[in-house]
Amino acid sequence: GAVVSQHPSRVICKSGTSVKIECRSLDFQATTMFWYRQFPKQSLMLMATSNEGSKATYEQGVEKDKFLINHASLTLSTLTVTSAHPEDSSFYICSAITSGGLETQYFGPGTRLLVL
Amino acid sequence: AQKITQTQPGMFVQEKEAVTLDCTYDTSDPSYGLFWYKQPSSGEMIFLIYQGSYDQQNATEGRYSLNFQKARKSANLVISASQLGDSAMYFCAMRERGYGGSQGNLIFGKGTKLSVKP
Repeated sequence: GAVVSQHPSRVICKSGTSVKIECRSLDFQATTMFWYRQFPKQSLMLMATSNEGSKATYEQGVEKDKFLINHASLTLSTLTVTSAHPEDSSFYICSAITSGGLETQYFGPGTRLLVL
Repeated sequence: AQKITQTQPGMFVQEKEAVTLDCTYDTSDPSYGLFWYKQPSSGEMIFLIYQGSYDQQNATEGRYSLNFQKARKSANLVISASQLGDSAMYFCAMRERGYGGSQGNLIFGKGTKLSVKP
């Protein structure tokens, strides 16, 4: 199946710093990428949807200025957690699809963020 | 109302036996897709199986099969011959056709934790 990579896999940062997470589709062009957040023992919560070359669409309750998303190319999307606080500590997962349709959505391995 | 319902927070199965994980969904969209993902303790979401709403036959992928009952709006996952490595969280998900024919979001259930006993 298609491969999606995510970097870094783990990050520990101090409160107030910004953290950038990269999501890459390795063997296909991703017209749409999704960013999810998952708290322990809970399901995935969609944060935002990004299409290449356009602004991301954020879900209700997700702060746009807090979670900056850039989908600069068909193979790369980045999520920047700005001025991170301990409550931002979570597991962040990106996902990508190729084009319109109901086909499979592939996920990256996730990034565990711990804000001290 | 929840779009995806997984009523089993946890399940146990003996190694080599089959197990069924339940999933019901709610949609008024005639075109949708149903997915099952496995999430081991590492956190990675592993795609298992897909069923389209117009598919006439139940989807199968190796030891995984999807018992699709459209009238009942259920999409149960059946794992045959369970293995110790099958122990993980399992999520059922649905994607509806979005507005204007675009992609809708993937909506997840709360998951079922499967534990395989040796």
